Amino acid sequence: SQQGEEDPQALSIQEGENATMNCSYKTSINNLQWYRQNSGRGLVHLILIRSNEREKHSGRLRVTLDTSKKSSSLLITASRAADTASYFCATDSYEDDYKLSFGAGTTVTVRA
Amino acid sequence: DTAVSQTPKYLVTQMGNDKSIKCEQNLGHDTMYWYKQDSKKFLKIMFSYNNKELIINETVPNRFSPKSPDKAHLNLHINSLELGDSAVYFCASSQERGRDTQYFGPGTRLTVL
Repeated sequence: SQQGEEDPQALSIQEGENATMNCSYKTSINNLQWYRQNSGRGLVHLILIRSNEREKHSGRLRVTLDTSKKSSSLLITASRAADTASYFCATDSYEDDYKLSFGAGTTVTVRA
Repeated sequence: DTAVSQTPKYLVTQMGNDKSIKCEQNLGHDTMYWYKQDSKKFLKIMFSYNNKELIINETVPNRFSPKSPDKAHLNLHINSLELGDSAVYFCASSQERGRDTQYFGPGTRLTVL
C-alpha cells in the first residue's frame, strides 16, 4: 500500500524561486527518504532523514520531519531548470519489514 | 561505470509471450529489489533478495518469477504477459535491507500489445 502522499501533485515555478513540497504518511517510521526522478530515468536518492532527526540539509535541499504530524517537507532553494523532475518521498517501518513505501510524487517544473 | 544496469531499456511484446529483464549491480550491495511503476507514477515493490535469498515477495501474480544467480544479479522473468503488465520496471540495490539508500537502475519500459 502507498504509505506517503505528496502535496502538491504538481508545482510550476520560475527559475530562482524556491520550491516546497510536502509528504504525509500514516504509520510510525524509521526513516524517510526523498528521491528525484527525471523524465524517463530511474530514481536518484537525495536525502535520508531518520525518525529522531528534525531537519537535514544537503546543498540547496532542506528536509524537515515532524513525526508528531507524520509529515515531511522538501525545500529546494534557488531552483534551476535542471531541478525539473518528479520528487518522491519514501518511508520504511519496522512494522512493515523495512520495505520502502513510496508516495505518488510531486512533479516540479522550473521555467527559465 | 553504471552502478545498477538493466537490460533491455524498452521491451515491446505481444500478450501471452514470456520475457525476461536482467539487472546487475556493481556496488557490492547485499540486497536487490524489483519495483513496478505504473502510468500514474506509483512505485510499488515486487520482490527483494538479500544475498540470493528471497526476503520480500509482495502480492504479485506467480507469472512473475525473480531469479538471483548471485548477489550482483537479479533477473525478472514474466510468463504469459498480459496487457496490465505494461509498466516501467525498476531494479534497485542497497547495502542494508530496506532502511538504507537505494540505488535505482534506469528502468525497463514494458509494453504489452
